Amino acid sequence: DTGVSQDPRHKITKRGQNVTFRCDPISEHNRLYWYRQTLGQGPEFLTYFQNEAQLEKSRLLSDRFSAERPKGSFSTLEIQRTEQGDSAMYLCASSLEGGSEAFFGQGTRLTVV
Amino acid sequence: DQQVKQNSPSLSVQEGRISILNCDYTNSMFDYFLWYKKYPAEGPTFLISISSIKDKNEDGRFTVFLNKSAKHLSLHIVPSQPGDSAVYFCAAIENSGYALNFGKGTSLLVTP
Repeated sequence: DTGVSQDPRHKITKRGQNVTFRCDPISEHNRLYWYRQTLGQGPEFLTYFQNEAQLEKSRLLSDRFSAERPKGSFSTLEIQRTEQGDSAMYLCASSLEGGSEAFFGQGTRLTVV
Repeated sequence: DQQVKQNSPSLSVQEGRISILNCDYTNSMFDYFLWYKKYPAEGPTFLISISSIKDKNEDGRFTVFLNKSAKHLSLHIVPSQPGDSAVYFCAAIENSGYALNFGKGTSLLVTP
């Protein structure tokens, strides 16, 4: 399978705990994006990388959210001190540079209890 | 501020008939438009796209129409099949942009 892969698929955590999600993009794609989707809404852009450079992060939801892509391949999204409002589907996508068609992974469903 | 709007939350169509899903946008800087299909508990799957220099793009049973003056696009599925039942998202992106702007989606149900 050469699509975008996300791990884990589901995560249940207690409020206040930190969580980290991983995304492996399509191998030849140098752009990687993180989106969040809540119930009844479309995906909402959070941040993106071109290779290892994080070129936009102003739309991360708070300073509790951070993302890395250390070697320009896989990426991680971390949420510190989780809150119930963080419960959502976190989606990763990748694309070629200059390509508008982003291909999404299956997402990580986060539930904060 | 929702820049991409899908005003019909749901649509039900009989198998074999045409499904028409509509999308409106407000940002005149958008120049590329995409439709994604999403099944429950899955990520969105890219379906079809159209550049602002075109008014129609066709791929098999799927056709997207763009009316720039009205800031409106539509997705036609002909003939509709039960496997088309899913949530369809319209998305738009600015020239040289990076972030897809999504609508809230339309849930399509195709009944046998």
